[in-house]
Amino acid sequence: SAVISQKPSRDICQRGTSLTIQCQVDSQVTMMFWYRQQPGQSLTLIATANQGSEATYESGFVIDKFPISRPNLTFSTLTVSNMSPEDSSIYLCSVEELLAGGEDTQYFGPGTRLTVL
Amino acid sequence: AQSVTQLGSHVSVSEGALVLLRCNYSSSVPPYLFWYVQYPNQGLQLLLKYTSAATLVKGINGFEAEFKKSETSFHLTKPSAHMSDAAEYFCAVSEGGYNKLIFGAGTRLAVHP
Repeated sequence: SAVISQKPSRDICQRGTSLTIQCQVDSQVTMMFWYRQQPGQSLTLIATANQGSEATYESGFVIDKFPISRPNLTFSTLTVSNMSPEDSSIYLCSVEELLAGGEDTQYFGPGTRLTVL
Repeated sequence: AQSVTQLGSHVSVSEGALVLLRCNYSSSVPPYLFWYVQYPNQGLQLLLKYTSAATLVKGINGFEAEFKKSETSFHLTKPSAHMSDAAEYFCAVSEGGYNKLIFGAGTRLAVHP
C-alpha cells in the first residue's frame, strides 16, 4: 500500500496567520483528498485534488480559505488561511491507490494536528 | 444522499468478549462500504471493505463485517477482543467508487481486563 507522510505532524498557530500542510506519497497517485477532523468529530471531506486541474471543493469549503496545490502525482499541499480557533482540527490527506486486481482503495496519512490560539 | 449512522459513540467490552460495532447506511445506489480504525494520535487504517462481492468481508486483525442489504447495515464484529483493539472505529460509505467517502460519527471502543 501507499506510504503517506504529512508535515508538520502538529503545530500551534496564532489566529490570523496561515499554515501550509504538506502531503507526500511514495508512489504516483491520481486522486488525493484532504479531510478535516474537528475535535471529537468524524472526518469531513474538504476537497479532491487531481494533478493538473483545480481542486474540487465540498460544500462549506472555499478555495480562499483552503487553497490546495497539486504540482505532481506524489505531492499536495493544503493551506489553512487566516486561521481562527475554529480551524483547530486534525487535517488528513488520503490517496486513492489502484491495487492489483483492479480494485481501488483509499489510504490515509497520519494527519496534522493544528491548534489555533 | 448518502449517510452513515453508527449506533453508540462509546462501546466497552471485556478482553475476550465479542466486539460488535453497528453501522447503518443510506444510499440511492449499491454502495461501497468501509471500516477504518484510528488509534490514538494516528491516521486512519483500513480494516475492511465491501464492494459488491461477498457479503461477509474479512479484514485485518480478526475483524469481519457482513453487508445486509435488507437491513441497510454493515456491522463490524470480532469474536474475541484484545486490549490492543481499543481505538476509534469509523464506518464510511461511497456510492459506486472509492472517492468521496462519507464517514459516520465514529465509535470509541474500550477494552478492559
